Amino acid sequence: QKEVEQNSGPLSVPEGAIASLNCTYSDRGSQSFFWYRQYSGKSPELIMSIYSNGDKEDGRFTAQLNKASQYVSLLIRDSQPSDSATYLCAVNDEAGTALIFGKGTTLSVSS
Amino acid sequence: ETGVTQSPTHLIKTRGQQVTLRCSSQSGHNTVSWYQQALGQGPQFIFQYYREEENGRGNFPPRFSGLQFPNYSSELNVNALELDDSALYLCATSLGTGVATNEKLFFGSGTQLSVL
Repeated sequence: QKEVEQNSGPLSVPEGAIASLNCTYSDRGSQSFFWYRQYSGKSPELIMSIYSNGDKEDGRFTAQLNKASQYVSLLIRDSQPSDSATYLCAVNDEAGTALIFGKGTTLSVSS
Repeated sequence: ETGVTQSPTHLIKTRGQQVTLRCSSQSGHNTVSWYQQALGQGPQFIFQYYREEENGRGNFPPRFSGLQFPNYSSELNVNALELDDSALYLCATSLGTGVATNEKLFFGSGTQLSVL
């Protein structure tokens, strides 16, 4: 049974700080890794996808993947109150058909 | 705006009843997947339909069933509702079937189902 583990939080950071969100996964065969943002009562919104070891940057967001350690992280630079949400880590299932999500980490950015 | 529409937005049912949830996607999105998200949990995969055929199923009992229609709409049916079925139900569409590649999922805004 594939698992995706995240610290549920809440993670609290002041405005302008770097928020670091972490995720581990159980299946070494996983190929695709995603970070979604979900505001309360809303649907998940894709922030980043990453497929290769290393860093991938998009604006204020950086995803980091380490397949040897089975670890994915998301860094949010210059955090804003509007970044306050639940961040979901997801990996592909064995068939490559579905996403397996973690429970999410709640981020709170205070102004 | 993802172009994926779900209805209804909220629904209240009683235990033992049946419910149908609907999803309408963009033209050309041949794949629709349904996820269940319980409070405080991440979404869990229910099943996927590709060109009107079931293409994969998660760990959900047969009372969860689906249909996909040629006009890019789909349904999720749940029979004999249980209290634990209370959740946000999300449909996600895509052009193809493979999330292991560079396939993007477009999520609808969800249907919040409450079972009393």
